Amino acid sequence: GESVGLHLPTLSVQEGDNSIINCAYSNSASDYFIWYKQESGKGPQFIIDIRSNMDKRQGQRVTVLLNKTVKHLSLQIAATQPGDSAVYFCAESGGTGNQFYFGTGTSLTVIP
Amino acid sequence: KAGVTQTPRYLIKTRGQQVTLSCSPISGHRSVSWYQQTPGQGLQFLFEYFSETQRNKGNFPGRFSGRQFSNSRSEMNVSTLELGDSALYLCASSPGQGRATNEKLFFGSGTQLSVL
Repeated sequence: GESVGLHLPTLSVQEGDNSIINCAYSNSASDYFIWYKQESGKGPQFIIDIRSNMDKRQGQRVTVLLNKTVKHLSLQIAATQPGDSAVYFCAESGGTGNQFYFGTGTSLTVIP
Repeated sequence: KAGVTQTPRYLIKTRGQQVTLSCSPISGHRSVSWYQQTPGQGLQFLFEYFSETQRNKGNFPGRFSGRQFSNSRSEMNVSTLELGDSALYLCASSPGQGRATNEKLFFGSGTQLSVL
């Protein structure tokens, strides 16, 4: 994931616009990636995942893009809504078991 | 299906004490992981248990330990608490089907530990 020593990136978008949140991962051996959303006072909530044999995956209003060449992951949220305001984390895994490394997170604010 | 349940929700301890946190995974899930979340370090992996065995361990001192019971419920223990242990401790479960790895994690709401 992104470097430790948090400087939380922020993103502000108008309601109805599309949002793009980026994540750079560090381990070229990572083969499974997840995007999580965390609202204040709650645990991270699963949004969408992608395995390294894919470069794009779509869900409901969300799309994840994976570029293994430059070790970059992005989350696109279509027609962003106020309820999308939260901190978004990317997580990568590549070893045995379910050990994940999380990025520093991006704080998304949706302006009504 | 009930989600991951963590107790207690909030905890206040003093330096030198020890603490035990509890996690009940989603019914049928066999893998339980623990993460520490702080503003300075973000989400960091502590350990993962699968079928009562520790399968992975993060880079934390031996004061941090855990265990898993036969019903998949898990506890983590922190001994000799330090001020820096103040954090949100998150438990996550995943199905753990066979020897499956790299499964999506389902998180609880966490236990907010404050060390004074």
